[in-house]
Amino acid sequence: AQSVTQLDSQVPVFEEAPVELRCNYSSSVSVYLFWYVQYPNQGLQLLLKYLSGSTLVKGINGFEAEFNKSQTSFHLRKPSVHISDTAEYFCAVSHSGGSNYKLTFGKGTLLTVNP
Amino acid sequence: DAGITQSPRHKVTETGTPVTLRCHQTENHRYMYWYRQDPGHGLRLIHYSYGVKDTDKGEVSDGYSVSRSKTEDFLLTLESATSSQTSVYFCAIRTERQAGELFFGEGSRLTVL
Repeated sequence: AQSVTQLDSQVPVFEEAPVELRCNYSSSVSVYLFWYVQYPNQGLQLLLKYLSGSTLVKGINGFEAEFNKSQTSFHLRKPSVHISDTAEYFCAVSHSGGSNYKLTFGKGTLLTVNP
Repeated sequence: DAGITQSPRHKVTETGTPVTLRCHQTENHRYMYWYRQDPGHGLRLIHYSYGVKDTDKGEVSDGYSVSRSKTEDFLLTLESATSSQTSVYFCAIRTERQAGELFFGEGSRLTVL
């Protein structure tokens, strides 16, 4: 079985400050990792994903994440946030093999960007 | 745009009544999913389907059933709604060309009084 832990349920930051949203996973097999964003009253959309290769993954809206296999982490970062980044962020994991059809999500981190 | 439509988008019902939520896709993707989203719990998988009439349970399937008689439609039914099923329900699809990635609908907000 796989699981995801998002270490912070809420992260308040000021506009133009850097931010890191933390995600740790647990799995006995190789994984794919994802970050999704949910704006208020909307569905989820993909920010970025790690499938293989370079451990530093760049996504939309200036976000990036680094896969660290030894620490089983996939933290999301942005060097300078905007008010419009206020949203809930979900980390998710799936197996990388033939059973990669089920995503397991973390409980989410609410990022609030203040002026 | 993955062409996912959920209906209804909002519903208020009473305890004990049956409720069916519909997910419709415009492309013939094999995998479809129903998740529920609750504060403090993130998204939890209810049921998923890997083809017509092929479905399986997720982690929170009690009290829910699903059906998939056509590739494009995946129905979630609450046979007798309870207040604990008040939630936002999301349908998702997995495309064959995007490894592991899911595309989500806009959600259906269900309130059980």
